[in-house]
Amino acid sequence: EPEVTQTPSHQVTQMGQEVILRCVPISNHLYFYWYRQILGQKVEFLVSFYNNEISEKSEIFDDQFSVERPDGSNFTLKIRSTKLEDSAMYFCASTPRANTEAFFGQGTRLTVV
Amino acid sequence: DAKTTQPTSMDCAEGRAANLPCNHSTISGNEYVYWYRQIHSQGPQYIIHGLKNNETNEMASLIITEDRKSSTLILPHATLRDTAVYYCIVTDYGQNFVFGPGTRLSVLP
Repeated sequence: EPEVTQTPSHQVTQMGQEVILRCVPISNHLYFYWYRQILGQKVEFLVSFYNNEISEKSEIFDDQFSVERPDGSNFTLKIRSTKLEDSAMYFCASTPRANTEAFFGQGTRLTVV
Repeated sequence: DAKTTQPTSMDCAEGRAANLPCNHSTISGNEYVYWYRQIHSQGPQYIIHGLKNNETNEMASLIITEDRKSSTLILPHATLRDTAVYYCIVTDYGQNFVFGPGTRLSVLP
């Protein structure tokens, strides 16, 4: 069964460092998303991406965040200068079209120290 | 904010049906009801979705009231592996899911 894969599963980084989280969405999917979940809290939407551009972003997705689909298969989330409060699980998701179920990856646990 | 309200937690005996309610009284005509679940800190897993008709798949059934202001997710024969947080989400064409706190379902042996 096709699945969304995320790497790495766990990343530890020092405060102020740049980090790139990687996702490989399901191959025929056209809509891509990043969500995050701080430990013990709700899953929060960060950004959606369609047709090579951001279609929507939340207030959390400030100038420190960026997304890219560099090669037609990977979908990346970059955090330019990490803060302690960026520590969270980051989930990538994809859908083949609008208004259908999203498939989520297993997440990357980001720990900022 | 999430457009849905769900009980914080529920228990269910193994082998029995688990009925998880959800209120979405402000749902609009073009909004779908989606159910996801999250086991531990894994990625949310899609269960089922519907617009106004009842739906059934291999995992669950979704019963939507005629006025669409509430719905119930039914797991017909709950197992210990169904212990998870269950999220009821209302979303429109924009497709960005707003997760609430969900219902923590504990399936008891």
